[in-house]
Amino acid sequence: GEDVEQSLFLSVREGDSSVINCTYTDSSSTYLYWYKQEPGAGLQLLTYIFSNMDMKQDQRLTVLLNKKDKHLSLRIADTQTGDSAIYFCAEMDSGYALNFGKGTSLLVTP
Amino acid sequence: DSGVTQTPKHLITATGQRVTLRCSPRSGDLSVYWYQQSLDQGLQFLIQYYNGEERAKGNILERFSAQQFPDLHSELNLSSLELGDSALYFCASSGEGLAGGETQYFGPGTRLLVL
Repeated sequence: GEDVEQSLFLSVREGDSSVINCTYTDSSSTYLYWYKQEPGAGLQLLTYIFSNMDMKQDQRLTVLLNKKDKHLSLRIADTQTGDSAIYFCAEMDSGYALNFGKGTSLLVTP
Repeated sequence: DSGVTQTPKHLITATGQRVTLRCSPRSGDLSVYWYQQSLDQGLQFLIQYYNGEERAKGNILERFSAQQFPDLHSELNLSSLELGDSALYFCASSGEGLAGGETQYFGPGTRLLVL
């Protein structure tokens, strides 16, 4: 399938904002998702955005979508140590499957 | 807790063997998806079932097969196992899964180790 690209690693200090970036290539994607995976755990849905939206905010999470550049970002405000995890960006392909990036490991230091 | 259950949580077996992974979707969800997560390939879509019928196929090997039963639970069968099949296998479920845009909720996964 098409490639979804993410940076592999991000480190932030507790209390700062984290921004995780993602680029996708399938312009037909109608929905884009962010999932979180903690060590030894499954994938937890964080949020999603429909392709006709530019921004979606959900408590500490803000998703920005730039369709022209096929760029998606996830901003976590007031990042806490409990936010340390791997964050996956995913696009829904022209079928019904999710096409995932390799994941960004977020490390939050005190 | 997503409401999707998977058993077993861990599975250790030998090359050449066959295993069955089981998934129960969230109550009311008709679609079940199987994904494989490995270090080298990342998360890859394997196959989708909707209300008992195969709906979409991804990078699923011929040695692997799946089915969805009338009670909507699904099983993923992996046969002639190879070392490279060691991975975390996730099941996800969603409501309609037809027109797209139906959010997929993931189970905790089954960790398979082939020795």
